[in-house]
Amino acid sequence: DTAVSQTPKYLVTQMGNDKSIKCEQNLGHDTMYWYKQDSKKFLKIMFSYNNKELIINETVPNRFSPKSPDKAHLNLHINSLELGDSAVYFCASSQDRVYGYTFGSGTRLTVV
Amino acid sequence: GENVEQHPSTLSVQEGDSAVIKCTYSDSASNYFPWYKQELGKRPQLIIDIRSNVGEKKDQRIAVTLNKTAKHFSLHITETQPEDSAVYFCAAHRDYGGSQGNLIFGKGTKLSVKP
Repeated sequence: DTAVSQTPKYLVTQMGNDKSIKCEQNLGHDTMYWYKQDSKKFLKIMFSYNNKELIINETVPNRFSPKSPDKAHLNLHINSLELGDSAVYFCASSQDRVYGYTFGSGTRLTVV
Repeated sequence: GENVEQHPSTLSVQEGDSAVIKCTYSDSASNYFPWYKQELGKRPQLIIDIRSNVGEKKDQRIAVTLNKTAKHFSLHITETQPEDSAVYFCAAHRDYGGSQGNLIFGKGTKLSVKP
């Protein structure tokens, strides 16, 4: 049983397209996150949701829109993809603030 | 806001030697400091963590120390093995108030253990 699962694992798409990444956790956690890991391996927080409510929205372009249909799911939709969006996107979840932070397996997005 | 600095960015050691990775943080209110290991092509995984009411914590070959006054914490790996080769991230908990917060990560240290 995968605790935090993301789909797809790889995504190759052309500039200007719209794409979505899905994330599901079966840990019963209240909080979910999206992180972006660039080519230099830097992990940067994008969004945080708690019980379907947006808690944190860092300086991310409006082209990125998270959606949480329920507390076990947090999806990321990206409009008008740009070359600079190429990265690995990690979903994560936690309970009780940030303790027990668990990452998904990542989605490698390549924009060509 | 919180800022986490991590050094060195790369570290190469011989098998059996010790490795030390250091991090500093800026927000004195941060109170939780985990370390994550990320093997090539895989997800970051929690290997050890420490809370601000503790100065040191050990788990087999890995240990973490925390100096709240100086606002720095370190990861120590003893008797390194080739399978310890990975990128290691430190992180600090930034509290937004209420019951939520998020982790701010250092930029990572690529550890290579040579057989």
